[in-house]
Amino acid sequence: DQQVKQNSPSLSVQEGRISILNCDYTNSMFDYFLWYKKYPAEGPTFLISISSIKDKNEDGRFTVFLNKSAKHLSLHIVPSQPGDSAVYFCAASEGAAGNKLTFGGGTRVLVKP
Amino acid sequence: KAGVTQTPRYLIKTRGQQVTLSCSPISGHRSVSWYQQTPGQGLQFLFEYFSETQRNKGNFPGRFSGRQFSNSRSEMNVSTLELGDSALYLCASSSESGQYNSPLHFGNGTRLTVT
Repeated sequence: DQQVKQNSPSLSVQEGRISILNCDYTNSMFDYFLWYKKYPAEGPTFLISISSIKDKNEDGRFTVFLNKSAKHLSLHIVPSQPGDSAVYFCAASEGAAGNKLTFGGGTRVLVKP
Repeated sequence: KAGVTQTPRYLIKTRGQQVTLSCSPISGHRSVSWYQQTPGQGLQFLFEYFSETQRNKGNFPGRFSGRQFSNSRSEMNVSTLELGDSALYLCASSSESGQYNSPLHFGNGTRLTVT
């Protein structure tokens, strides 16, 4: 049973435009959500997070939106840059579960110059 | 600060053998978690150690075990290796456990191949 799903395995976007990555979850106990970026042969790098008491969090070019009623979150990257080309994972956790993260399957983003 | 360091980067083992992977967390971090990444199952949680105690465990057989030392360094061990254990094993550290402002920072992983 996949509790966190990223339904788009890949995304192609032009440099300078917006990239929108989506993630759905089923476990209503999740109260903390994160996005990670992964380059080949490297570990995931933390990008941005949001707790369930918020519906939006911004950090530079990255904004995460959380819709708890729909059990949906999204990551917006504006403007997209060629260096953003990577695999993006969303992850979720329950506060009581410590650092046990449940990951989505990832979305491969290609930013074209 | 130095990042999370995992050794070795690559490992080839034979079915039935055992293997030990090592992880040095970011200085000052007390929580170390281990994850397995495979093409079929994606990133899956193995276990978390916090202040030398196992705090949580994922759905993996008992062949997978770990420990954390007083300096927060951690090792994970896989006994009686199976072909399906071939994967990228990722270690992650954080300053606290389960805190909103304490995200996981990952190492570059150990690529284990079982033949």
